[in-house]
Amino acid sequence: EPEVTQTPSHQVTQMGQEVILRCVPISNHLYFYWYRQILGQKVEFLVSFYNNEISEKSEIFDDQFSVERPDGSNFTLKIRSTKLEDSAMYFCASSDPDSSYEQYFGPGTRLTVT
Amino acid sequence: RKEVEQDPGPFNVPEGATVAFNCTYSNSASQSFFWYRQDCRKEPKLLMSVYSSGNEDGRFTAQLNRASQYISLLIRDSKLSDSATYLCVVSTGNQFYFGTGTSLTVIP
Repeated sequence: EPEVTQTPSHQVTQMGQEVILRCVPISNHLYFYWYRQILGQKVEFLVSFYNNEISEKSEIFDDQFSVERPDGSNFTLKIRSTKLEDSAMYFCASSDPDSSYEQYFGPGTRLTVT
Repeated sequence: RKEVEQDPGPFNVPEGATVAFNCTYSNSASQSFFWYRQDCRKEPKLLMSVYSSGNEDGRFTAQLNRASQYISLLIRDSKLSDSATYLCVVSTGNQFYFGTGTSLTVIP
């Protein structure tokens, strides 16, 4: 069964550094998403991406964040100048346009900012 | 005002019991509705979409009431493996809002 994959599973970085979180969505999916979940809190929408551009973004997704689909398989989230409060689990998801936006999530990258 | 509200629980039920979860959403323009389950420190997994006519998948039944902006999930004949957090998800356009989740523990 096809699945969304994410790398790395855990990333530790120092405050102020830039990180890139990587995702490989399911191959025939056309919509891609990033979410974050701070420990003990709810899943929060960051951004949706379709046709090589951002479709929607939340208030959390400010200039510190950017997304890119650098090739036909990867989807990345870049966080510039990380802050302590960026520590969270970051989930990538993808969906098929013919399936009513049912999203399939990757296993997540745990980001720890020290 | 929260976009999606759920009773956080916890719900502790014996095996075989029937349990119901409720969810309300604030945006009447919301278009798509889902239930996900999330196991501890894992990713959300799609349980089912929710349709206006109501839908059933085995032991799980989901209902949507657009007039009341209310979504429900009924689990019949609870299994130990049903223990998880159940997330109500609502979308407006291509933006998705998650509830805080309702914790379920099924007890032997």
